[in-house]
Amino acid sequence: NAGVTQTPKFQVLKTGQSMTLQCAQDMNHEYMSWYRQDPGMGLRLIHYSVGAGITDQGEVPNGYNVSRSTTEDFPLRLLSAAPSQTSVYFCASLDRGSDTQYFGPGTRLTVL
Amino acid sequence: AQSVTQLDSHVSVSEGTPVLLRCNYSSSYSPSLFWYVQHPNKGLQLLLKYTSAATLVKGINGFEAEFKKSETSFHLTKPSAHMSDAAEYFCVVANTGGFKTIFGAGTRLFVKA
Repeated sequence: NAGVTQTPKFQVLKTGQSMTLQCAQDMNHEYMSWYRQDPGMGLRLIHYSVGAGITDQGEVPNGYNVSRSTTEDFPLRLLSAAPSQTSVYFCASLDRGSDTQYFGPGTRLTVL
Repeated sequence: AQSVTQLDSHVSVSEGTPVLLRCNYSSSYSPSLFWYVQHPNKGLQLLLKYTSAATLVKGINGFEAEFKKSETSFHLTKPSAHMSDAAEYFCVVANTGGFKTIFGAGTRLFVKA
């Protein structure tokens, strides 16, 4: 049981480049979320999904796209990276039975 | 609307002394409340949660928190700090179902020998 996995661990992009951050979970959780963590601001919710085919915006969705074609995977896409998107990104899945979120190890993204 | 305020950005204690990390919340309905811990360059780990059962919640590693509705607070305590407790702690409020969460800005706990 790998839990929540994220790839890559580190990434450096140039302004305007696109990329996809991958997230997968093997716990059969319906709910998954993406957060960004910036110093002094805690974690802020970018997008979340309550099941395959269903996504919604969180607190800071601009500049990010998501889709959920399977229960296991919830990729986060940056279509045109900006320096303001330099951050640490965490994916999480929720066990509804215990109301507990399980977090991945994070992706540290730098946009130059 | 929901919000959460962690009242201290940094807390410093000596090893063996009590820990108090303060959290106030705002919610238009009965919230679920959580404390998470993040050690340096690590992911987040759930310490404890309140979901409308007992108001005093016990978590891992000797931590506990008390839900006080009248004060809209959910402070985290530990009777005796250990060096390994040095980390950043996040108070979190969530909607019913727990999937739309608001994190506090975090409190960094320093433990002196």
